Formats: sequence, structure tokens, C-alpha cells
Amino acid sequence: DVKVTQSSRYLVKRTGEKVFLECVQDMDHENMFWYRQDPGLGLRLIYFSYDVKMKEKGDIPEGYSVSREKKERFSLILESASTNQTSMYLCASSLAGRGDTQYFGPGTRLTVL
Amino acid sequence: KQEVTQIPAALSVPEGENLVLNCSFTDSAIYNLQWFRQDPGKGLTSLLLIQSSQREQTSGRLNASLDKSSGRSTLYIAASQPGDSATYLCAVEWGGKLIFGQGTELSVKP
Repeated sequence: DVKVTQSSRYLVKRTGEKVFLECVQDMDHENMFWYRQDPGLGLRLIYFSYDVKMKEKGDIPEGYSVSREKKERFSLILESASTNQTSMYLCASSLAGRGDTQYFGPGTRLTVL
Repeated sequence: KQEVTQIPAALSVPEGENLVLNCSFTDSAIYNLQWFRQDPGKGLTSLLLIQSSQREQTSGRLNASLDKSSGRSTLYIAASQPGDSATYLCAVEWGGKLIFGQGTELSVKP
């Protein structure tokens, strides 16, 4: 079975802190994605990556950056956390190409005070 | 722009009922459509994926249909059980991305 793990289930940070959210998949998937999920807004794509060291902006990249140094690991970085970044963050991976199922991690609920 | 809508937003049924969840999308040029399940505070689990050339997919008590020309999909759950209680999300692959609906929160009462 595909396993996507995220470094923390719950995280509390202060405004202005630099925050790292880590995601690791164990199935040699090419594609990895970061979403945020908010009540009333649903899931929105922040960034995605189709290969190592490659990244593409999603629909809401402002205030975020990403890093993919190894195929299995995709990190989401909040350079200076703000309260409007309080959300559930979900990582996903898929094998390659279009049409492949995305497999999701358990999510990280981030609270920025 | 692609928009995905799910109706109803919430549904409560007694155990044993058959039920239908609805999903509609505005641009029919989709690559595929997926149904996901999300338990409270958890990630998403893929239930069914229908390619754009297909009309339906089945897995156990679940059956999903796709009518691309009318921009609609339904998820049919037979003989519902309390363990089916969760939020169900549909998503279309469009423009290389997954576009999600906001989900239907299902509660199955014993």
C-alpha cells in the first residue's frame, strides 16, 4: 500500500515564525502536491512538483515556498507565518502523468497565533 | 474556469438506506473524476476513479457514474452503514490539476 506521511498532526506556531511542513512518500511516486483545506473554501492547491528539484505554483502560492531535494520528500515552507495561514495542510502523491490517483497523507493542522 | 459543486452539503439517513450523492462540474473537458472519503480530522482516501471515457465504476457497495456531457456524477451507496459516516468529496482532473467540490457530510444513524 502507498504510504504518505506528514511530519506533524498538530502544530502551533507564532506569527512571524518560519514553519516547515514535511511530507514523505514511500512508493517512488513522481508527483507530489501540497493543499490547504478550509471550511467553506474546500481544498486548494498551493504547490506541486513533477520531479526532483522541480516545482510549480498552484492556485494559492502566495506566502509559501517548497523544496524537493529528494524524490520521496516534499517540504512546504511558510517563510513568515501569519494568522491567515491557520489551516489543515494536506500532502498528496501520485505515480506519474495524468489520470493517476492521488494518495493523501493524514494532514497537519497548523494554528498560527 | 472549472467549478465543482456537491449537493447536498449534508445528509443524515438511517442505517440500511440506499443513497445518492451528487457532483456537478461546469467544464466538461475533464480528464477524469474521482470520489474521495474524508473522516474527521484525517486525510483523503480515494474511493473510485472514473476516466473521461468511462460511464461508471463500482467497488463493493459503491457505484459512481459519470455523464461528462451534462457535467454530472453520482455516487450511489447501497445498504448504508454507520461506518459510512464521513465527508465525501468529488474532484475532477482539469488543466493538469485536481479541482475539488466542497463535499457532502454524510451521517448514517444506527
